[in-house]
Amino acid sequence: EVQLVESGGGLVQPGGSLRLSCAASGFTFSDHYMDWVRQAPGKGLEWVGRTRNKANSYTTEYAASVKGRFTISRDDSKNSLYLQMNSLKTEDTAVYYCARASTAGCSGGSCYSYWFDPWGQGTLVTVSS
Amino acid sequence: QSVLTQPPSVSEAPRQRVTISCSGSSSNIGNNAVNWYQQLPGKAPKLLIYYDDLLPSGVSDRFSGSKSGTSASLAISGLQSEDEADYYCAAWDDSLNVVVFGGGTKLTVL
Repeated sequence: EVQLVESGGGLVQPGGSLRLSCAASGFTFSDHYMDWVRQAPGKGLEWVGRTRNKANSYTTEYAASVKGRFTISRDDSKNSLYLQMNSLKTEDTAVYYCARASTAGCSGGSCYSYWFDPWGQGTLVTVSS
Repeated sequence: QSVLTQPPSVSEAPRQRVTISCSGSSSNIGNNAVNWYQQLPGKAPKLLIYYDDLLPSGVSDRFSGSKSGTSASLAISGLQSEDEADYYCAAWDDSLNVVVFGGGTKLTVL
């Protein structure tokens, strides 16, 4: 069974740091792009960032709202994805989901189709004093 | 303000058909495929439709997707109470080089 399980969420003060983990199983992790998507309480989905696979040099990209503060990494030997979050703000409060990405028609950094399946169960990050 | 526009809510009676619209622009829906996600209350999102109109394995054929120009639609036929959920459209945006989501539509089965 293809599965993603996040961990590491919790309560942190503004300006603090937190590291989320996502353990993958049931598929060849190293073949896939992996993404983080978040959802603030009562709000919609917001893409956070991605890491490409080894074949694409593990390059990363981030949403403007987190660029320079968040870092995505992966360890293919452990089938694990990570999200290091620094300089956290109250507006970063959300449930954070990791998701396996599938793509079609990618060229020069753009993709015709890019979808997420499956998603993890999510981990709640609360930034508050 | 989401890049893709969805109605905040729709409602319909059991066994009826409902459609949810998703409006974008030439940099996203007009040039790329649309995907749809279902989020049941308190659960993680689940892929419902990909590549405009393809159903993942295990998804009921009561769900269907379509696209025309810069708009897309999700149709659900034979509505059941278990279909009550939030539905999100998403597409790659060539200008932003990211996946963009709609704001979500809450479906109520009356």
